[in-house]
Amino acid sequence: DVKVTQSSRYLVKRTGEKVFLECVQDMDHENMFWYRQDPGLGLRLIYFSYDVKMKEKGDIPEGYSVSREKKERFSLILESASTNQTSMYLCASSYRGGNTEAFFGQGTRLTVV
Amino acid sequence: AQRVTQPEKLLSVFKGAPVELKCNYSYSGSPELFWYVQYSRQRLQLLLRHISRESIKGFTADLNKGETSFHLKKPFAQEEDSAMYYCALSTGGFKTIFGAGTRLFVKA
Repeated sequence: DVKVTQSSRYLVKRTGEKVFLECVQDMDHENMFWYRQDPGLGLRLIYFSYDVKMKEKGDIPEGYSVSREKKERFSLILESASTNQTSMYLCASSYRGGNTEAFFGQGTRLTVV
Repeated sequence: AQRVTQPEKLLSVFKGAPVELKCNYSYSGSPELFWYVQYSRQRLQLLLRHISRESIKGFTADLNKGETSFHLKKPFAQEEDSAMYYCALSTGGFKTIFGAGTRLFVKA
């Protein structure tokens, strides 16, 4: 079974803190993604990476950065957390070619106070 | 621009009634389309993909390139179908983008 694991299920952080969300996959997938999930807005792509050290901005990259130093790990960084970044964050991974089905982590519910 | 549109935020049907969740896409290349489902307290998972042309849990979806649509259909809804459904577009094996989602509620 493919496993995508996010380091935390729930996080509460203060405004202005630097926040790290970690994601690890065990299927040797080339692609990895970070989305935020908000009611009525669906899944919005923050950043994605198609290879180690490669990253591309998604639709809402402002206020976020990412790091992919190893193929299996993709980190999302909130440089200075703000209350409007309170959301559910989903990590996903997929192959680049062939079957591009995305496999998701369990999600991290981040609350910024 | 690449875009996935799901016009209905909420769809409520009675058990045994037919259900259709609408999805339209915008993409200049050759699309790969998916339906994902999220049941309560579970992670998002694939329901079906257009390439497979299969029926999963009684659901089917046909890609209509002329209308740029990929609607999800089931002839007889069941209570256990109640969930959040997302239509998704994979662009050339790289980016995957999602629609806003439709919450399906099947009433007894």
